Amino acid sequence: AQSVTQLDSQVPVFEEAPVELRCNYSSSVSVYLFWYVQYPNQGLQLLLKYLSGSTLVKGINGFEAEFNKSQTSFHLRKPSVHISDTAEYFCALLDLRSGGYNKLIFGAGTRLAVHP
Amino acid sequence: DAMVIQNPRYQVTQFGKPVTLSCSQTLNHNVMYWYQQKSSQAPKLLFHYYDKDFNNEADTPDNFQSRRPNTSFCFLDIRSPGLGDAAMYLCATSDRGYEQYFGPGTRLTVT
Repeated sequence: AQSVTQLDSQVPVFEEAPVELRCNYSSSVSVYLFWYVQYPNQGLQLLLKYLSGSTLVKGINGFEAEFNKSQTSFHLRKPSVHISDTAEYFCALLDLRSGGYNKLIFGAGTRLAVHP
Repeated sequence: DAMVIQNPRYQVTQFGKPVTLSCSQTLNHNVMYWYQQKSSQAPKLLFHYYDKDFNNEADTPDNFQSRRPNTSFCFLDIRSPGLGDAAMYLCATSDRGYEQYFGPGTRLTVT
């Protein structure tokens, strides 16, 4: 069965410091991975995605992630965080289904708290 | 801008009183999803529509139903809300592709 594990439930960091949010996955088929961000009382916004090709994926708001097949990881990084990056971050794996729809398998989420 | 819209953003209902949440999209996507997200948890898929075909997740309670009268609109009906149904409800769409586009959500409070 496919699964996603986010290794940290909370990550506190000071403003302008670098941050890494860790995500590991388990899948026996082709892997499609996503990072979403959720601000309080908002929906999910796509930060970046890995479908194929370059293992280093750049997203919005200065975030990037690296797909590592041997370590089954897809960690999210940002070299310098801002207060406005405080939010919940979800790593997700796409479960391809027959019939034309795809199911997202989410990790439990990581709460990033950026302090001044 | 093309987008996924959810109304209302906040909904308060009484225990046992039926409630309907609305989702509309201007993306013309084939697939529409409903998720339930409880506090500090990941979104949980309730069901989805592929065009007019309805697909229920195995563990979605019978209390939750959905309607999709046309491509643009999808509704979530909760027939008899309990206190445990208080949550954020997220609608999402996709076009048989890999990416899902989420609406802003409706936060449901049950009193």
